[in-house]
Amino acid sequence: QKEVEQNSGPLSVPEGAIASLNCTYSDRGSQSFFWYRQYSGKSPELIMFIYSNGDKEDGRFTAQLNKASQYVSLLIRDSQPSDSATYLCAVIKAGNMLTFGGGTRLMVKP
Amino acid sequence: DGGITQSPKYLFRKEGQNVTLSCEQNLNHDAMYWYRQDPGQGLRLIYYSQIVNDFQKGDIAEGYSVSREKKESFPLTVTSAQKNPTAFYLCASRVTNTGELFFGEGSRLTVL
Repeated sequence: QKEVEQNSGPLSVPEGAIASLNCTYSDRGSQSFFWYRQYSGKSPELIMFIYSNGDKEDGRFTAQLNKASQYVSLLIRDSQPSDSATYLCAVIKAGNMLTFGGGTRLMVKP
Repeated sequence: DGGITQSPKYLFRKEGQNVTLSCEQNLNHDAMYWYRQDPGQGLRLIYYSQIVNDFQKGDIAEGYSVSREKKESFPLTVTSAQKNPTAFYLCASRVTNTGELFFGEGSRLTVL
């Protein structure tokens, strides 16, 4: 079992819809959770991070964390073609090591 | 402006040659990281350094070497022992309080 798992996609949604990206992790001692966006050929950039169970909203983005289920998700409301990218989930596990998932490719179709 | 600078952006190398990728940061971060990314894949950790004059191997350190003589600098050498070095290399530094990583723009290495 991989430490951080994501569906590789592609996840295809129409413009204006909600995109839901999911991530599961294996280490119950994981403390912090990050979502990065990476456009093709570019470096990752941080979208948001979450530490506590529940939802955290920032503009069109909402991160959701459920530590009991070892699950973190990212919702993108009113998806735009410019949101088309690969989304990387990253987790700080016990021992303070940051581990990345393989990423989910999102395609938003006009 | 504060940030991470990687150079060169593109590099071509003949088989059997060592190459060194530069990474400089002016964010005053203690921890720095090198990742490798292959097409359509996630990030794999090569080496990391939590503090000056100290570094640890990541998941795929074979064929690579690093040094950390200054807080600002963390160069990566891709040696001839690395059998499949063609990849996108990313350097990052880490915010101590939040744990988030800031990335450089990356260096794309192609072996001819």
